Amino acid sequence: AQSVTQLGSHVSVSEGALVLLRCNYSSSVPPYLFWYVQYPNQGLQLLLKYTTGATLVKGINGFEAEFKKSETSFHLTKPSAHMSDAAEYFCAVRSSGSARQLTFGSGTQLTVLP
Amino acid sequence: EAGVTQSPTHLIKTRGQQATLRCSPISGHTSVYWYQQALGLGLQFLLWYDEGEERNRGNFPPRFSGRQFPNYSSELNVNALELEDSALYLCASSSGGGSGRNYGYTFGSGTRLTVV
Repeated sequence: AQSVTQLGSHVSVSEGALVLLRCNYSSSVPPYLFWYVQYPNQGLQLLLKYTTGATLVKGINGFEAEFKKSETSFHLTKPSAHMSDAAEYFCAVRSSGSARQLTFGSGTQLTVLP
Repeated sequence: EAGVTQSPTHLIKTRGQQATLRCSPISGHTSVYWYQQALGLGLQFLLWYDEGEERNRGNFPPRFSGRQFPNYSSELNVNALELEDSALYLCASSSGGGSGRNYGYTFGSGTRLTVV
């Protein structure tokens, strides 16, 4: 079985400050890891993904995440927050086995303060 | 390239009725996934279809069912609607492949189902 824990259902940062959204996963086999963003009344948009290879993954809109196997973590960061980053962010895991569906965390609502 | 399209965008039904939600995947994608996003409950996996077959199912009662058509579009049916079925239903698609080497999904904008 696989699971995802996102620490902090709500995170607030000031515009220009560092964004750090935390994600820890549990998987019995090597995982594939994803971050998605959801703007109000919209579907989910893929920010970045880790499958194999380099553990530091760069995504769209200046976001990046680092896969740390020893910590079972895949935290999302952005050096400088922008007002347009305000949205809900979801971490997801998929096992490398045959079960192909993604398991999502409960989400983190990011608020960017002016 | 057209994205994943879902219809209708909004649907209002009465308790006990049936709802049918539709999804068209990205051209070339053979896998379709359905998720329920209810308030306060996050994204819950409902169903996965690939090449016309149901491949996996989440922890939902049998009144949640669906199918995938030869053109890979999909339909989600919810029978005997209950108030707690009110949610945003998201469809996603991905490429198939026996190796399972498809990474990430592309999501549609969802259907907002309200049961009154």
